[in-house]
Amino acid sequence: QSALTQPASVSGSPGQSITISCTGTSSDIGRYNYVSWYQLHPGKAPKLIIYNVNNRPSGVSDRFSGSKSGNTASLTISGLQAEDEADYSCISFTRSSTWVFGGGTKLTVL
Amino acid sequence: EVQLVETGGGLIQPGGSLRLSCAASGFTVSSYFMTWVRQAPGKGLEWVSVLYGGGSTSYADSVKGRFIISRDDSKNTLYLQLNNLRVEDTAVYFCARGGPGNWDYYFDYWGQGTLVTVSS
Repeated sequence: QSALTQPASVSGSPGQSITISCTGTSSDIGRYNYVSWYQLHPGKAPKLIIYNVNNRPSGVSDRFSGSKSGNTASLTISGLQAEDEADYSCISFTRSSTWVFGGGTKLTVL
Repeated sequence: EVQLVETGGGLIQPGGSLRLSCAASGFTVSSYFMTWVRQAPGKGLEWVSVLYGGGSTSYADSVKGRFIISRDDSKNTLYLQLNNLRVEDTAVYFCARGGPGNWDYYFDYWGQGTLVTVSS
């Protein structure tokens, strides 16, 4: 199972919006609405920020939103804040009943 | 409060074995599917294995036949037995809890990870 494709890095200024894409295939993202997104800070536990394409867990800011079109899922962060600087990773459930991750995207807040 | 604490990592020679533990608190491990995910140095996350509440398991192709996932319900602890280790298995290993519903194929709580270094 090949990894999902994410841009290596994105950047934006405080207050701006950014979108991170996550491209898979018809065997994963295109087949199921089981895409989730995680925020990673070095040395800390990964944090779930979006599940089932566009749902936010309790306690996650509504500045985070998710969507999907075809084989590509997207994470949008609006009103960028310095604390949003982190790595972001997508994951999808697959036809093989396994999971596949994206390579991760480093977000820099300028 | 849900907590997951991984232990058992360390430096091991190629071909060696190691057992990782993930002690859970705040919930019952057998009531959820539980998973192991790893992150090699400078790389993205990689899914490794899952153990469903009913006991069925699945593995990534990269570890199939070498790693074994299990749990001890009396200790509320998840395990990952790593056998025939390779240099490319070097990574931080995270355990994570699966979503609460039958169709919740995501991981809602994670531990902080334990580092496994395979080197001669």
